[in-house]
Amino acid sequence: KAGVTQTPRYLIKTRGQQVTLSCSPISGHRSVSWYQQTPGQGLQFLFEYFSETQRNKGNFPGRFSGRQFSNSRSEMNVSTLELGDSALYLCASSWTTSGGGSDTQYFGPGTRLTVL
Amino acid sequence: GQNIDQPTEMTATEGAIVQINCTYQTSGFNGLFWYQQHAGEAPTFLSYNVLDGLEEKGRFSSFLSRSKGYSYLLLKELQMKDSASYLCAVRAPAYSGAGSYQLTFGKGTKLSVIP
Repeated sequence: KAGVTQTPRYLIKTRGQQVTLSCSPISGHRSVSWYQQTPGQGLQFLFEYFSETQRNKGNFPGRFSGRQFSNSRSEMNVSTLELGDSALYLCASSWTTSGGGSDTQYFGPGTRLTVL
Repeated sequence: GQNIDQPTEMTATEGAIVQINCTYQTSGFNGLFWYQQHAGEAPTFLSYNVLDGLEEKGRFSSFLSRSKGYSYLLLKELQMKDSASYLCAVRAPAYSGAGSYQLTFGKGTKLSVIP
């Protein structure tokens, strides 16, 4: 079974631009969560989508948004990029979000975003 | 709020045993996970504990005490390839009364295995 895939793997943008990142979950998984990882803050939760609906959202500004499609693929968008948005963006998929061991999250390889 | 603490760095010798501790304070609890992350790569799932006690999986074991808000990951017969960051994550309700859960991660413990 194929794992979680993310595109692109690397991205360089300049301040003020916007960016869209894509995530394809493991087949059959309906939940997709997004995380931002930086050396200083570690892994921080951005948001989670389940059945095309945003279920949870972390403490990030409104410049960060996302969506999920009917095939469970998800995209996240960052508008008006700032230098501090440079990070590794990881998505993780799981079967559901209702709890239980089967809801283990499996991570994709990430998108390394650099903002100049 | 959620708070998860683990040591920032540890060093251990090849062939030895190392224990990485994790303490947590969360609103609600629905399981604790350990992930391994090599530099520049994605986190990979290692273990899951939801009940008190020890879970053993090959060279890796994970322990949980819910009453103490404490877990540890035990790595035996250390190998050079075990040099990585180890992330402790707690699953808890996204908010009070929520029907869904959210993972909160510690900042990770960077383990260096030396010859």
